Formats: sequence, C-alpha cells, structure tokens
Amino acid sequence: AAGVIQSPRHLIKEKRETATLKCYPIPRHDTVYWYQQGPGQDPQFLISFYEKMQSDKGSIPDRFSAQQFSDYHSELNMSSLELGDSALYFCASSGGGVTETQYFGPGTRLLVL
Amino acid sequence: KQEVTQIPAALSVPEGENLVLNCSFTDSAIYNLQWFRQDPGKGLTSLLLIQSSQREQTSGRLNASLDKSSGRSTLYIAASQPGDSATYLCAVRRRQETSGSRLTFGEGTQLTVNP
Repeated sequence: AAGVIQSPRHLIKEKRETATLKCYPIPRHDTVYWYQQGPGQDPQFLISFYEKMQSDKGSIPDRFSAQQFSDYHSELNMSSLELGDSALYFCASSGGGVTETQYFGPGTRLLVL
Repeated sequence: KQEVTQIPAALSVPEGENLVLNCSFTDSAIYNLQWFRQDPGKGLTSLLLIQSSQREQTSGRLNASLDKSSGRSTLYIAASQPGDSATYLCAVRRRQETSGSRLTFGEGTQLTVNP
C-alpha cells in the first residue's frame, strides 16, 4: 500500500539559510499535517491543511510557512533557520472525515549548523 | 490546553511477560486516541486507534482500552518479544468541526524486552 512520502529524508543547512520540506500524502487523502520532533521529545503539532485550506494551527514559528497544493501535496518553508530548528519533521495524512487515522511519513531529519 | 502523560517513562521486562502502558489526558473533548510505535530515529507506526465512542480495540497481541470520562487509556501487550522494544506514544485527537485537527502526543514509554 502507498504511504506518505517525504523529501528530502535528510537535510543539512547553515544558520539563517532557508529550507523547503515536501510531503506527498497517501492517494485520495485530503488532509495533511506537519509535526516537529526535537531530540528526545514528543512530536509537536505545527499546522494542518484540509482541502488546501489551513485547518488547524499549532506552535509554528512565524519564520515558517506552509501550504497545500491542488494535487494535495504540501510544502513546509522554513526561513532564517536557527540551531533549535534541528529536528525530525513529520508529515501525516488522513482522508474521509474528522475521525480518520493519521498516517505518518518517515520524516525529514533537518540539521542546522 | 490538552496535556497527555505517559507512565512509566521507561520499562524493562523479560521476554514473554505481559505488560501495560498507561496514558492519561486532561481534556476529554477528543475524537479519538491513537497508539504509535517509534523505533530510534525512525518514523511513527500507528498501532491502534480508538474512537471516543469505543471502549477498546485489539490487534494481534495488542489491546488498547479507552475510558474517556476519566481521561485514561492503556495499551496491553501480551507475551512480549524482543522485537517489541521501541518507544510507545499515545496521542489524542482534538475535537474540531472540520478535518485536520491536531494530535497531542505524550512523551512516550521506552520499552525494552530482554531475551
């Protein structure tokens, strides 16, 4: 079965640089979620999109922005990167309503030097 | 604000033992609760999802229960195996009118099953 695809899987950036993470949801899923997991921490919700509209917003820094495109893939844009942005970034997708299971991608590991 | 707590933070058991992981949450206005497994440095694998109207779900050697009124869930693992060693996370889904509501995670229980 198709799963959530994230790219790149690993990314190394310098401070103050920008990064773009991509997420391709499971086919026919209309909702995408972004989570950030710092070292030794639990995943923290950043933002979600349903049918290309922002649905819920969590602790996403103003330096970050995201959107969902017409083909339902999503991109998380991160600017003015800081050392503290080093983390595992997960994308999840769901479809079919408010109670559906969220399926997680393998994550993008971002290291900011 | 929803808070999710998992006890214990770490657990080490001998192979073959039955064990229970605990999860508690402060806000009972949830749609569902999911249990995940995470191997070191890896992604999240969904194990079980319990809707707020359900009391329990079973999958193989795993059984999860939900008591929404008391804000508690348990994950029961029968006949544990070394391959079960991982971090187990519970997450509750906020009640929201539209699709896209967030999951709030607990800090996880790190399980080690010794052969």
